[in-house]
This record gives sequence, C-alpha cells and structure tokens, in this order.
Amino acid sequence: DTAVSQTPKYLVTQMGNDKSIKCEQNLGHDTMYWYKQDSKKFLKIMFSYNNKELIINETVPNRFSPKSPDKAHLNLHINSLELGDSAVYFCASSPSIGPGGNTIYFGEGSWLTVV
Amino acid sequence: DQQVKQNSPSLSVQEGRISILNCDYTNSMFDYFLWYKKYPAEGPTFLISISSIKDKNEDGRFTVFLNKSAKHLSLHIVPSQPGDSAVYFCAAKMDSSYKLIFGSGTRLLVRP
Repeated sequence: DTAVSQTPKYLVTQMGNDKSIKCEQNLGHDTMYWYKQDSKKFLKIMFSYNNKELIINETVPNRFSPKSPDKAHLNLHINSLELGDSAVYFCASSPSIGPGGNTIYFGEGSWLTVV
Repeated sequence: DQQVKQNSPSLSVQEGRISILNCDYTNSMFDYFLWYKKYPAEGPTFLISISSIKDKNEDGRFTVFLNKSAKHLSLHIVPSQPGDSAVYFCAAKMDSSYKLIFGSGTRLLVRP
C-alpha cells in the first residue's frame, strides 16, 4: 500500500546512457515533484507538476526531462548520463496549495550510480 | 545560499532524555515549517509542522517551537527512544509556493 512508489530503487549505468525513473502516487494528490539528494545530502527540488502542468523547473540541465502522463504519475528521463548525475532521486506528492501550506510525501528514493 | 540551516550535523542523546534539534532560516517570507525524519535507504517521512501564526505545535512526544523574531525553530523529542535515531530535516516554504526548502539535516543517535 505504498503511497508514493518509484522504480527502480537502485540503478547502476554507464556514462552516456539514457535512463528513466518512474513514479506513481495513490494519494489522489494534484501535485508531484522530483527532488535530488546530492553527495552533501542536501535535498533540492528539481521539478514540480500540478495536474500534469509543469509549475517548477529549477536550474536543471535539459538532459533531465520530466513527463507527467496523468496526475498520478511523474516520470524522470535522463539523457546522456554523466558521473555527476550520481545521486538519490526522490519522487514526492502533495495536495494542491491551501491555507496553512501543504505537506509533501516522499517515495523511498532511487539510487542512481553512473560509472 | 542556504535559506534553511541546520548547523549541527549530529546529536547524541541518552534514551529517555530530551533531544533538541535546531534550525535557522533567513527568508522572512517563509510561513510554513516542517520536520521530516529519514532512515537510511528510505525516503523522508513527514513528522510535524507549524504555521508562522503559531509559536508551538505538539504531537505526542514531538513538539516544534517557532521563534519568528530570531528566525529559529526547534524540534523537541521527549522522551527520546532508540527508534528515533535517524536524520532529521528541517524544511520551510511560503504558503503560496509549492517549493519546499530543506536544511542539510541533523543525524540523531539515541543511545540505549
């Protein structure tokens, strides 16, 4: 009964390859996110979609392309992988913004290692 | 440019005692603050939150205090239990924004 699920959990791939990470949420939320946890352990937002529309696009190389086929899914595709892309990628979701803010729920993470 | 700072990378506490985790922020526009707990190889789990219109929010053993004038918040865990050992992230956002800004985390170790 995982609320936010992402696959694969672990991925080891060579430089230059293209890979995708899939994410699904069953919470009925309108908003989904991709966060990256780098080697210094900071969690930083990459993208956010609200009802399939891109609403946040941080300074991320255009080799990273999110795709939201519907509001329950947000996939992350990465082209021409580089060593520096090695990190943990977290998918998350939340209700639409309301008074008092909104709580974001995270998936378990996808550990990407580029060799 | 870290808008949310957790200056203590680690904290060790005896079981049964109080754990106090601190967080400072620089952006006075933040009006919603959250604490997340993270175990190894898992995603962050929401713990407790507080709105800027309050100075305290309590949920069982967890209490968050907010001092807006000092731009400081803290998470108190009483009594601490070994299962509380994890990394705790402070996060902040503006009400009108979807963007959650995280601190670098504090690793809490509760010794039996």
